[in-house]
Amino acid sequence: GAGVSQSPSNKVTEKGKDVELRCDPISGHTALYWYRQSLGQGLEFLIYFQGNSAPDKSGLPSDRFSAERTGGSVSTLTIQRTQQEDSAVYLCASSSAGTDYNSPLHFGNGTRLTVT
Amino acid sequence: RKEVEQDPGPFNVPEGATVAFNCTYSNSASQSFFWYRQDCRKEPKLLMSVYSSGNEDGRFTAQLNRASQYISLLIRDSKLSDSATYLCVVILSGSARQLTFGSGTQLTVLP
Repeated sequence: GAGVSQSPSNKVTEKGKDVELRCDPISGHTALYWYRQSLGQGLEFLIYFQGNSAPDKSGLPSDRFSAERTGGSVSTLTIQRTQQEDSAVYLCASSSAGTDYNSPLHFGNGTRLTVT
Repeated sequence: RKEVEQDPGPFNVPEGATVAFNCTYSNSASQSFFWYRQDCRKEPKLLMSVYSSGNEDGRFTAQLNRASQYISLLIRDSKLSDSATYLCVVILSGSARQLTFGSGTQLTVLP
């Protein structure tokens, strides 16, 4: 079946511009996560959506970052006034878990963001 | 101290070798454990869950030592296709933020 889909796969933007990254989770998955991964580094948690509950935004690094999830499905991560340190691979993952985190995460291919 | 620590490697082993990785975690209340693998410039993919009694999946064996707060992954008869970065994941209950990834151990299997 279809996996997690992310777009664009690559994005090059100038410093100061806004970018939007899209994630289409696996159908029926109620949990959706955004992570970012810098070159050679581990995954950094950004935000978590679970059903209709208020999202856990505790990982967002600054107020330039925001995310929404419409209709419990597609999610958009927005970065305003991009900075060079925002350059990373942004990974989206979904899971069929409710509040049980034992269900594994299924990752998309990621969006490679380069801020010049 | 990091919540989840892994030896970054790289581990370079010949084909057919047995190799083991450890991952230590700092919070004794951690409840769930997984191993993921990540190929170069690809997304992480679940390799296996780690159960309290230890579990095996083909050439891969995962073990949990709660007393010493580490999990391990053993790969027997290494294949070239096993070359990847192996990430351990530790989960606390109560918050998505407590789903913590290690920074990974890089394995290269040499012909």
